[in-house]
Amino acid sequence: DAKTTQPPSMDCAEGRAANLPCNHSTISGNEYVYWYRQIHSQGPQYIIHGLKNNETNEMASLIITEDRKSSTLILPHATLRDTAVYYCATNNFGNEKLTFGTGTRLTIIP
Amino acid sequence: EPEVTQTPSHQVTQMGQEVILRCVPISNHLYFYWYRQILGQKVEFLVSFYNNEISEKSEIFDDQFSVERPDGSNFTLKIRSTKLEDSAMYFCASSYTSGGPYEQYFGPGTRLTVT
Repeated sequence: DAKTTQPPSMDCAEGRAANLPCNHSTISGNEYVYWYRQIHSQGPQYIIHGLKNNETNEMASLIITEDRKSSTLILPHATLRDTAVYYCATNNFGNEKLTFGTGTRLTIIP
Repeated sequence: EPEVTQTPSHQVTQMGQEVILRCVPISNHLYFYWYRQILGQKVEFLVSFYNNEISEKSEIFDDQFSVERPDGSNFTLKIRSTKLEDSAMYFCASSYTSGGPYEQYFGPGTRLTVT
């Protein structure tokens, strides 16, 4: 399972785009990249996932590099409610477990 | 919107005692999971469960741990003889199917404190 590394913390101004990077240089061809966030000690909340194409949903966009060794989660217009710890995780197709990284604590500044 | 629920929200127990953590997964989901998070650390996989049997477990999930789906709705994690190092948040999750690309939905967690 791929190990993921993330910066421990980031700040972003309210209303601006928040770009959260994740390195997964050992990712294998059938491993998906998932992003979750955790507000306080609540359960992780699913945001988005992808394999190799860029993905967008109502919450965020996911940009995966062509070599798949890194990805960036983009929150297009950050609000104060987006303050949370954001986890990049990997999951092997056909294998159930999510392997979480150590997360980035994102603080949205008014 | 359907959600995963967990009880209790906080459990305090003495070392050596047995605890059972309970979860009600989303009703049409087929795969069930337990994860734990020690304070200040990342979320770690414990076990996955499908078709009434364990499909995968981590090295953390030793003989002191067991899981069960006693009826059509509940999914439980039992720790037979708790240790101080079992103190953590325990999260239940469920998904409709396994692996990618299906997302796992997490419950709010049970904070287990072993004294």
